[in-house]
Amino acid sequence: KAGVTQTPRYLIKTRGQQVTLSCSPISGHRSVSWYQQTPGQGLQFLFEYFSETQRNKGNFPGRFSGRQFSNSRSEMNVSTLELGDSALYLCASRMTGAPRETQYFGPGTRLLVL
Amino acid sequence: AQTVTQSQPEMSVQEAETVTLSCTYDTSENNYYLFWYKQPPSRQMILVIRQEAYKQQNATENRFSVNFQKAAKSFSLKISDSQLGDTAMYFCAFMIDSRSGQNFVFGPGTRLSVLP
Repeated sequence: KAGVTQTPRYLIKTRGQQVTLSCSPISGHRSVSWYQQTPGQGLQFLFEYFSETQRNKGNFPGRFSGRQFSNSRSEMNVSTLELGDSALYLCASRMTGAPRETQYFGPGTRLLVL
Repeated sequence: AQTVTQSQPEMSVQEAETVTLSCTYDTSENNYYLFWYKQPPSRQMILVIRQEAYKQQNATENRFSVNFQKAAKSFSLKISDSQLGDTAMYFCAFMIDSRSGQNFVFGPGTRLSVLP
């Protein structure tokens, strides 16, 4: 089975722009979670989608949003980019999102905001 | 607020030796799950080991084992017979599954270097 894939792998944007990141989960997985990883704040949970619905949300401003499609692929959007949004964005998938299930992480999208 | 603390930002160990990474957490919940994740340099994060808080028996996965002390809110990871491939960032995390949803909280990580 193919693993979790994320596109693009690297992205450079300027302040004020918006960006869309994509995540394709492992085939059969319906839960997709997004995380932001920075040297200062570490790994922080953004949100989780299951069956096209946002099920859980971390403590991030409304500039961060996401969606999930019927094939379980998910996109994350950040509007009005700020310098502090520079980070590695990871997505992870699980079968249904039940606590016992293992999360499988993608390689991440490294976003640099100039 | 739930927090996870990893007091050792960096550690090193000689190949074939044993190393223990520490993790403490703070939560008022009684039911939760604890995890250790490994992030090798420029590679994907993978799950190392998982512990359910209601289970008293410590989890083990081959060379990896945990020492779970619920009362002390401590969850350390022991790596036996360390191998060069164990070099990575190690993140301790816990997850609460409540009526309001799941909440994943990660620690800041410990960078482990296995020396030949």
